[in-house]
Amino acid sequence: DAKTTQPNSMESNEEEPVHLPCNHSTISGTDYIHWYRQLPSQGPEYVIHGLTSNVNNRMASLAIAEDRKSSTLILHRATLRDAAVYYCILRLGMNRDDKIIFGKGTRLHILP
Amino acid sequence: EPEVTQTPSHQVTQMGQEVILRCVPISNHLYFYWYRQILGQKVEFLVSFYNNEISEKSEIFDDQFSVERPDGSNFTLKIRSTKLEDSAMYFCASERDKYSPLHFGNGTRLTVT
Repeated sequence: DAKTTQPNSMESNEEEPVHLPCNHSTISGTDYIHWYRQLPSQGPEYVIHGLTSNVNNRMASLAIAEDRKSSTLILHRATLRDAAVYYCILRLGMNRDDKIIFGKGTRLHILP
Repeated sequence: EPEVTQTPSHQVTQMGQEVILRCVPISNHLYFYWYRQILGQKVEFLVSFYNNEISEKSEIFDDQFSVERPDGSNFTLKIRSTKLEDSAMYFCASERDKYSPLHFGNGTRLTVT
């Protein structure tokens, strides 16, 4: 599985934007960039994914560097409910045996 | 929105006993997974299941573990003889295809005493 690097933890103030970075310098041309998060006492939850272009959905935006060696998950206006561990994961997406493998992620603390 | 459901939410068992953890994946999904998370640690892949057979399993998934999709709706994880170190949260997940998001249940907390 391709490797990603994320900061162990980050802090942000409530109602401010949050930029969560992820480095994936060994990404291959067919790897999709996925983000999941895990709220306290819950199972992981899909946030967003992309291949080359920036992506937006109701939860977040994903900005992908032109060389695809890094990406940033953007929460436009953080709330206390966004406090969670955020995982950046590379996934081939076409192989039947492909699976999601979790690293340690970034623990996001939201300050009221 | 359809969701993955897991039962029970908490299971307490004695060492050496068999446990079955149950999951109902989303109905039109084709790929099924079990993960576990020991308290304070990361989420670990256990096994993937497709077309009524195991696709892949991790080193953790030894002979004490088995999975089954007995009736086309349930997806179960059985641990034959539980050990103290099996205490963890067990998450079931499913996906429609390899381009779709993985949907997780809220887990079963297994406590082995």
